[in-house]
Amino acid sequence: AQSVTQLDSHVSVSEGTPVLLRCNYSSSYSPSLFWYVQHPNKGLQLLLKYTSAATLVKGINGFEAEFKKSETSFHLTKPSAHMSDAAEYFCVVSEVDTGRRALTFGSGTRLQVQP
Amino acid sequence: DTAVSQTPKYLVTQMGNDKSIKCEQNLGHDTMYWYKQDSKKFLKIMFSYNNKELIINETVPNRFSPKSPDKAHLNLHINSLELGDSAVYFCASSPGVTAGLNTEAFFGQGTRLTVV
Repeated sequence: AQSVTQLDSHVSVSEGTPVLLRCNYSSSYSPSLFWYVQHPNKGLQLLLKYTSAATLVKGINGFEAEFKKSETSFHLTKPSAHMSDAAEYFCVVSEVDTGRRALTFGSGTRLQVQP
Repeated sequence: DTAVSQTPKYLVTQMGNDKSIKCEQNLGHDTMYWYKQDSKKFLKIMFSYNNKELIINETVPNRFSPKSPDKAHLNLHINSLELGDSAVYFCASSPGVTAGLNTEAFFGQGTRLTVV
């Protein structure tokens, strides 16, 4: 069985400072991992995905995530926060279970960006 | 063209009514999903369909029933609506399992259902 834990329900940073959103996963097999972003009253947009080609994954809007198998982590980072980054962020694990594909979402991290 | 579209965007209805939410994808994907997002933003899968066959049903009340007339559509019917059904419902689609696990799911804009 797979699960995802987002360690912070709420993160607040100042504009221009680094962002770190933490995600740990549990999976029976080699997982595929994703980060999605949800802006207020909007749908979910893919930020980036881990494809096993490289452990450091670059996404849209300057976000990156590093897959660390030994730590079962897939933390999301950005060097410099922008006001438009304020949103809800979801870490997602994808796995095949008895021939079916299952996507499991973390509980979400709300990112606030202060001016 | 919107990849995954769902209608309506907002739905306000009284307890006990029956309502439907429609979803269509134009991506040629084999798998479609319905997710429920509660007031705390937690996303929980309700159903998924792969080539018109239900493959996941996550302990959802039988008042909820997915209906897929074809591969591009997965509609959600809800009977005898209750106050606790108020939430945002998201439709999504993705390639099937044979395409690999690292293919992402595409989400609709959501339907905000309010039961009064």
